[in-house]
Amino acid sequence: ETGVTQTPRHLVMGMTNKKSLKCEQHLGHNAMYWYKQSAKKPLELMFVYNFKEQTENNSVPSRFSPECPNSSHLFLHLHTLQPEDSALYLCASSPVIAGGGTEAFFGQGTRLTVV
Amino acid sequence: GENVEQHPSTLSVQEGDSAVIKCTYSDSASNYFPWYKQELGKRPQLIIDIRSNVGEKKDQRIAVTLNKTAKHFSLHITETQPEDSAVYFCAASIRYGGATNKLIFGTGTLLAVQP
Repeated sequence: ETGVTQTPRHLVMGMTNKKSLKCEQHLGHNAMYWYKQSAKKPLELMFVYNFKEQTENNSVPSRFSPECPNSSHLFLHLHTLQPEDSALYLCASSPVIAGGGTEAFFGQGTRLTVV
Repeated sequence: GENVEQHPSTLSVQEGDSAVIKCTYSDSASNYFPWYKQELGKRPQLIIDIRSNVGEKKDQRIAVTLNKTAKHFSLHITETQPEDSAVYFCAASIRYGGATNKLIFGTGTLLAVQP
């Protein structure tokens, strides 16, 4: 276990549903990320939060809405998704250090299927 | 824009042979280059990383080399074993907004080690 926990592990939702993905870490990290992993674009960065502030929105459609209430929790709210949004959604966290990049620790992912 | 290219997309080797995966990056300010291994149905996990002030790093059967001038880095696995079979991702850290950094991933290499 890496210390990053995602729930649920699997989710099937209709195109008119609203659901949320949850990510939790207790590693003391201050940066959290959402990645989308599909066959077409593996490990595509969606959002970055640094000290609870969103610092990156990588041209993600508004049907995906992130929320970061504190440094330990990250949510991804989903509504009116399309079948092409079906993918593995991975959460990751990393410490923030001055001067350089750091390892990202990944959760197990949520396998999302939109029907 | 920021991108990381990775080759090959698939690699099949015989057990005991060596495997080499290559990546190039676009941002000359990148200073951290991790490699992740993702087994089927599991999360990506760090196997080795290198910082820009180092040209080579080795950990048992795994080594990574970095050429900052050419902006490319490579993963070398020697004496491959069937359990090395997985998808391997390279990444480059892009720094922005002070201490914030994000990892941009390559498209992955599916390594198959034939017994």
